[in-house]
Amino acid sequence: ETGVTQTPRHLVMGMTNKKSLKCEQHLGHNAMYWYKQSAKKPLELMFVYNFKEQTENNSVPSRFSPECPNSSHLFLHLHTLQPEDSALYLCASSQRGATNEKLFFGSGTQLSVL
Amino acid sequence: KNEVEQSPQNLTAQEGEFITINCSYSVGISALHWLQQHPGGGIVSLFMLSSGKKKHGRLIATINIQEKHSSLHITASHPRDSAVYICAVTGTASKLTFGTGTRLQVTL
Repeated sequence: ETGVTQTPRHLVMGMTNKKSLKCEQHLGHNAMYWYKQSAKKPLELMFVYNFKEQTENNSVPSRFSPECPNSSHLFLHLHTLQPEDSALYLCASSQRGATNEKLFFGSGTQLSVL
Repeated sequence: KNEVEQSPQNLTAQEGEFITINCSYSVGISALHWLQQHPGGGIVSLFMLSSGKKKHGRLIATINIQEKHSSLHITASHPRDSAVYICAVTGTASKLTFGTGTRLQVTL
């Protein structure tokens, strides 16, 4: 148990569906992240939020829309996805948002887009 | 070519063997991370180091800044060590870059 909880664990959606991924951290951290992990590729940073403010958007298509209502919760809203968006989506948190500090990851949401 | 290269990509070992996973990087860094990802996806941070050596239980991580190289060693390996081990570096531009991982399978 890392203190970061993601739901759902698995999600299958059609290209016209709208769904949301949820992440919650119980660690009192101020920074939260969305990462994408595709098969045989390194983790790709998608978004960073620090104190609820988005501090990084790594050229992510607009069909992915993040939301951070408070420092403990992070959402990723999905709409009109493509099959190539199928991947494991991982949420992480850290104390201050500095890249030389330890990250705490959730178990991920395995997304399949049909 | 990735800024972070790991070797081997896949590794099979028998229980009890001493295991070494290597990570080479091509940029200046302020920190290097070793992460463990079990089947099912969850990632756990094992070590963060910027110099020398760290030890936690049967795991040892070393880094040689001059050679831009780090190793993760597992002593007395066990089937529960089976996982993907990921190296990541924090570059001088404060960007975190990940390797593609080493898939370890430890058999009885």
